[in-house]
Amino acid sequence: NAGVTQTPKFQVLKTGQSMTLQCAQDMNHNSMYWYRQDPGMGLRLIYYSASEGTTDKGEVPNGYNVSRLNKREFSLRLESAAPSQTSVYFCASSADRGREQYFGPGTRLTVT
Amino acid sequence: GESVGLHLPTLSVQEGDNSIINCAYSNSASDYFIWYKQESGKGPQFIIDIRSNMDKRQGQRVTVLLNKTVKHLSLQIAATQPGDSAVYFCAEIEGYSTLTFGKGTMLLVSP
Repeated sequence: NAGVTQTPKFQVLKTGQSMTLQCAQDMNHNSMYWYRQDPGMGLRLIYYSASEGTTDKGEVPNGYNVSRLNKREFSLRLESAAPSQTSVYFCASSADRGREQYFGPGTRLTVT
Repeated sequence: GESVGLHLPTLSVQEGDNSIINCAYSNSASDYFIWYKQESGKGPQFIIDIRSNMDKRQGQRVTVLLNKTVKHLSLQIAATQPGDSAVYFCAEIEGYSTLTFGKGTMLLVSP
């Protein structure tokens, strides 16, 4: 069991470039999440998918889009990266829309 | 990684001491309160949770206390070890909504 995997681990983008962060889980979980983590800000929810086929906005969705490709995979897309999107991005999953979430190792994104 | 710890409240303890990490929450309607641990360079990891109708729950070397009167949550770690060094986040959840995380506390354990 790999748990939650994320690619890439590190990425540097120029302002205006686009990219997709990939996330996959092998625990047969229904719910998946994308968070960003900034110094002193804790974890803030960007988007989530309560079940396959559904996605909803979280606290900070602006500038992002998501796709729940299937039960295993949930991707996060930045269409036009901005320096304010420099952050560490975490994907997580849970059996239901629940309190015990399993996190991936994170993607450290820098936008210059 | 290391940048997570910038500007965070920090608790420094000696190995073997008991640690108490505190958290104030805001939503009196939350059903569950949860503690997560985040080691440097890793994603957060679930430690323990407590339902809102309880005031104490014990796990392995950890105890969570809930005081709803003052909206306060604490995590007690017994016999703290260097491996407990991490950032600890409290979180809350109401019904079928999503988790709301606090800003975190860094625990530093010196041998």
